[in-house]
Amino acid sequence: DAEITQSPRHKITETGRQVTLACHQTWNHNNMFWYRQDLGHGLRLIHYSYGVQDTNKGEVSDGYSVSRSNTEDLPLTLESAASSQTSVYFCASSEYPRTRVSYNEQFFGPGTRLTVL
Amino acid sequence: AQTVTQSQPEMSVQEAETVTLSCTYDTSENNYYLFWYKQPPSRQMILVIRQEAYKQQNATENRFSVNFQKAAKSFSLKISDSQLGDTAMYFCAFMKLPHSYNFNKFYFGSGTKLNVKP
Repeated sequence: DAEITQSPRHKITETGRQVTLACHQTWNHNNMFWYRQDLGHGLRLIHYSYGVQDTNKGEVSDGYSVSRSNTEDLPLTLESAASSQTSVYFCASSEYPRTRVSYNEQFFGPGTRLTVL
Repeated sequence: AQTVTQSQPEMSVQEAETVTLSCTYDTSENNYYLFWYKQPPSRQMILVIRQEAYKQQNATENRFSVNFQKAAKSFSLKISDSQLGDTAMYFCAFMKLPHSYNFNKFYFGSGTKLNVKP
């Protein structure tokens, strides 16, 4: 069965370190997304990608970067981890909508809990 | 900018009873989608129900139904015959239709924690 996976599921790191969170999907979806989830904020979009070599900033992109070298993977990198980046991170993917008014469901990964000490 | 507000941080309901979760949103768009997602303790995000703004009929999925009031920008979720497995965080989400073909962007509310008591 197709799926979307994230690794690691839990990560503890120190401030200033570079951290990379992996996201891998086997749906062959073109769209991929990274969100962070914090109490009182729901899910907020960090970065997204329409396809290979395409990346775009979301509403909370400062301190994060992504790259898309293939369809299946969108790794999220924290260049210099900060305590404010302690959060749960979700990856999601979806296919292109068939029309300008149609919708394609976003499938979410299981999440990665990141703690920055 | 679009905003989604869930004013009930936490709610409780007895098993087999009915509960309604509130959601309001602000947008200048005319066509869009609204969603309710369930997040159980496993953290998995599960789509519960979806409503297209251009449809007047309220969406229904088994025990889950919505009350969509477009003019009031209100989108509440009603859970009938509540079950213990309904215990979870519930997120209301708004998606505007893209001006390009590719991407439907989500805006999430802050969530309502629902506890179903035996």
